[in-house]
Amino acid sequence: DAKTTQPPSMDCAEGRAANLPCNHSTISGNEYVYWYRQIHSQGPQYIIHGLKNNETNEMASLIITEDRKSSTLILPHATLRDTAVYYCIVRVFYSGGGADGLTFGKGTHLIIQP
Amino acid sequence: NAGVTQTPKFRVLKTGQSMTLLCAQDMNHEYMYWYRQDPGMGLRLIHYSVGEGTTAKGEVPDGYNVSRLKKQNFLLGLESAAPSQTSVYFCASSYRGGTEAFFGQGTRLTVV
Repeated sequence: DAKTTQPPSMDCAEGRAANLPCNHSTISGNEYVYWYRQIHSQGPQYIIHGLKNNETNEMASLIITEDRKSSTLILPHATLRDTAVYYCIVRVFYSGGGADGLTFGKGTHLIIQP
Repeated sequence: NAGVTQTPKFRVLKTGQSMTLLCAQDMNHEYMYWYRQDPGMGLRLIHYSVGEGTTAKGEVPDGYNVSRLKKQNFLLGLESAAPSQTSVYFCASSYRGGTEAFFGQGTRLTVV
């Protein structure tokens, strides 16, 4: 069963903020929200992750709702190079010796329009 | 800084042939992963390793074997290739299980 739900595609004008939604209504207390993107069949690239507080880095901001059932990835000033498939992934953060892989859905194909 | 390097980048195999895909990382990461991606789909985990000498099965392990004899290398083997294994294969590594994963550029494999 998919842990996340994302729209299959979105458009955004260049220079505008791109807001990508993700629903994860069954998220557990020890699961984090991760975002990756994949540009034109290249290897996926990590963007950001968070547990319950909003997070920001040089690439994007992550806004997680208070009930943690949904989140939004924000690219503040989208450029043409941000056109990619964006994956929202929910998983446990293994700080010790545990591990599993990332479970990728189909993601959102974000198209930045000039 | 090379990061994660996959060899080869492209390969065509005949049904029944065998081959090994090599993944090398220079970041001293403990964890390494092999994924496959079919057209229009997300990545699916084949096998992974949490350290030198250890391996574990992922979501779609059948038809593949792996080895992690050295910390920096993770090998994916196909003993008898089948057309269903035509895919793009990605290797990844991470410092810990929950930290940022770095991906290679992929190996495009076609089995005819």
